[in-house]
Amino acid sequence: DAMVIQNPRYQVTQFGKPVTLSCSQTLNHNVMYWYQQKSSQAPKLLFHYYDKDFNNEADTPDNFQSRRPNTSFCFLDIRSPGLGDAAMYLCATSRDQIGGAAEAFFGQGTRLTVV
Amino acid sequence: AQKITQTQPGMFVQEKEAVTLDCTYDTSDPSYGLFWYKQPSSGEMIFLIYQGSYDQQNATEGRYSLNFQKARKSANLVISASQLGDSAMYFCAMTGRTARQLTFGSGTQLTVLP
Repeated sequence: DAMVIQNPRYQVTQFGKPVTLSCSQTLNHNVMYWYQQKSSQAPKLLFHYYDKDFNNEADTPDNFQSRRPNTSFCFLDIRSPGLGDAAMYLCATSRDQIGGAAEAFFGQGTRLTVV
Repeated sequence: AQKITQTQPGMFVQEKEAVTLDCTYDTSDPSYGLFWYKQPSSGEMIFLIYQGSYDQQNATEGRYSLNFQKARKSANLVISASQLGDSAMYFCAMTGRTARQLTFGSGTQLTVLP
């Protein structure tokens, strides 16, 4: 059974039209992450939540926002998508542990196309 | 700050042979975790193996083993008896005591030849 579910798997949006990607988890993990992965590149962390504590990476554009209404759900909002935002967006969860030993579980990703 | 380096953009291996994918890291955290993930062309990130910085023995998971050399700051992935289904991108990643997120290397594209 899928433990981290991302919807939709594929999303096409118009240039400048707000879009929301969703992620849900059944693991009850307290940490949730959003990564952006462009073609043939490593995933790049956009932000993460530790419980309700939001942590933005310094170089994440303001165009990207996130919401975590409860433990199970996390959303990625792109306020005005540009052509450069076309990428795979990966959601991940982990149970934080001292020493950083917790494994991260990934969803299947949402592939975003901007037209 | 943490940094992961994978110096092999692409690797080829013959089916049924073993292959080693290189990974070196740098961190100031005394306690950290090292991970390997596989990403097929479908895009999902699949966890393969984990090594804790204080683990005395090298981690093994089936055909995967992690050659952990702490003094050299290396965490190479060894895949034994390669299969055609092993063809994918492989990422080395780490977390630290003070960093709750995974930092990824640039990845190695592995192709298994029949």
